[in-house]
Amino acid sequence: DSGVTQTPKHLITATGQRVTLRCSPRSGDLSVYWYQQSLDQGLQFLIHYYNGEERAKGNILERFSAQQFPDLHSELNLSSLELGDSALYFCASRGSGANTGELFFGEGSRLTVL
Amino acid sequence: DQQVKQNSPSLSVQEGRISILNCDYTNSMFDYFLWYKKYPAEGPTFLISISSIKDKNEDGRFTVFLNKSAKHLSLHIVPSQPGDSAVYFCAASASGGYNKLIFGAGTRLAVHP
Repeated sequence: DSGVTQTPKHLITATGQRVTLRCSPRSGDLSVYWYQQSLDQGLQFLIHYYNGEERAKGNILERFSAQQFPDLHSELNLSSLELGDSALYFCASRGSGANTGELFFGEGSRLTVL
Repeated sequence: DQQVKQNSPSLSVQEGRISILNCDYTNSMFDYFLWYKKYPAEGPTFLISISSIKDKNEDGRFTVFLNKSAKHLSLHIVPSQPGDSAVYFCAASASGGYNKLIFGAGTRLAVHP
């Protein structure tokens, strides 16, 4: 158990719809990262938040947005969904200690767009 | 632009033998490298890391080697066990590991008896 919690674990929806994925980082972690893993591909970096502020953006579509709330949980919003958005979405958090660059990942949210 | 490449999608090894997983990178700004292991229906879990100031880091059965001039790193697992069967991701970051991790596509390792 990494300590990172993601909900929902599975989500099936239709094209054109909007969904929200939620992530609770490990206790005390200020950084939250979102990654997308499409079928048999690596993890693609989407966005990074630190203590409520956006720090870095990757290949995140304009239809996607995210935020980190004062209690440090984060939400990834996916709108106008397309078939190609079907993927595993992982959230990860990082400790603020000086000696680690390690990310701790949640179990992921599997999104299926029909 | 694939900055981290794992060119072998799969690897099959006999139990007890050595598993060698390879990873190449193109960005010379990367200075921190990690390996993650992923089982089906689970998130990736951290395995081992190495800073660019080192060329080797060892943790039990797992050793990571870094060749900066070749921009290449490898993960050695000795001896391999059936429980090691998983997908292994190589990842890299710049600025001491505080920046985002860039992942390779993964190598699926199968360790058979």
